[in-house]
Amino acid sequence: GDSVTQMEGPVTLSEEAFLTINCTYTATGYPSLFWYVQYPGEGLQLLLKATKADDKGSNKGFEATYRKETTSFHLEKGSVQVSDSAVYFCALSDPGAGGYNKLIFGAGTRLAVHP
Amino acid sequence: GAVVSQHPSRVICKSGTSVKIECRSLDFQATTMFWYRQFPKQSLMLMATSNEGSKATYEQGVEKDKFLINHASLTLSTLTVTSAHPEDSSFYICSARVASGIIYQETQYFGPGTRLLVL
Repeated sequence: GDSVTQMEGPVTLSEEAFLTINCTYTATGYPSLFWYVQYPGEGLQLLLKATKADDKGSNKGFEATYRKETTSFHLEKGSVQVSDSAVYFCALSDPGAGGYNKLIFGAGTRLAVHP
Repeated sequence: GAVVSQHPSRVICKSGTSVKIECRSLDFQATTMFWYRQFPKQSLMLMATSNEGSKATYEQGVEKDKFLINHASLTLSTLTVTSAHPEDSSFYICSARVASGIIYQETQYFGPGTRLLVL
């Protein structure tokens, strides 16, 4: 079945460092791809998404490009801040039974940014 | 943005008792709500999809008689863990999806989660 694999954490960076969190997926169809972020004590929030190949999702300085040829959706940010410390989840949506999309998540990657 | 709340945020119960978790969409109507379970350092696993006014659709391997889901209104879904056992201890997260006209918006809004500990 469909699956999402993302790099294990934690990822520890200094402020203003470059961030990459790798995400690859397996899907039989043409999924939409997402990055969600979970700040401490809060629910998951949609960070960005891409719905077709070569689309680039971006938000708050984060970017990810839907690469069909490599089945990847790596998350990048050029200069991280302490406030970016959170758990990041890569996910895909898979049209399920009855046409209701459901999300399939990766295991999550914890990012810790220190001053 | 859209806000989803869960109550309680944390619950401890004795083995054999039942626990109800509420999920509410506070400022929008959610025709579809999802229930996930998250084990420590693991991914969210979809348990069931709940549509207002109809029976929930459970994922393979999820016992529907153990995890009772009710979606009685467009703003409330409940998950009841019946006869809870220590192996049911986990982090339960709900999400709600906004349906917009003919085309479904794929954005799901997540609650903060409920941590259940069964002794």
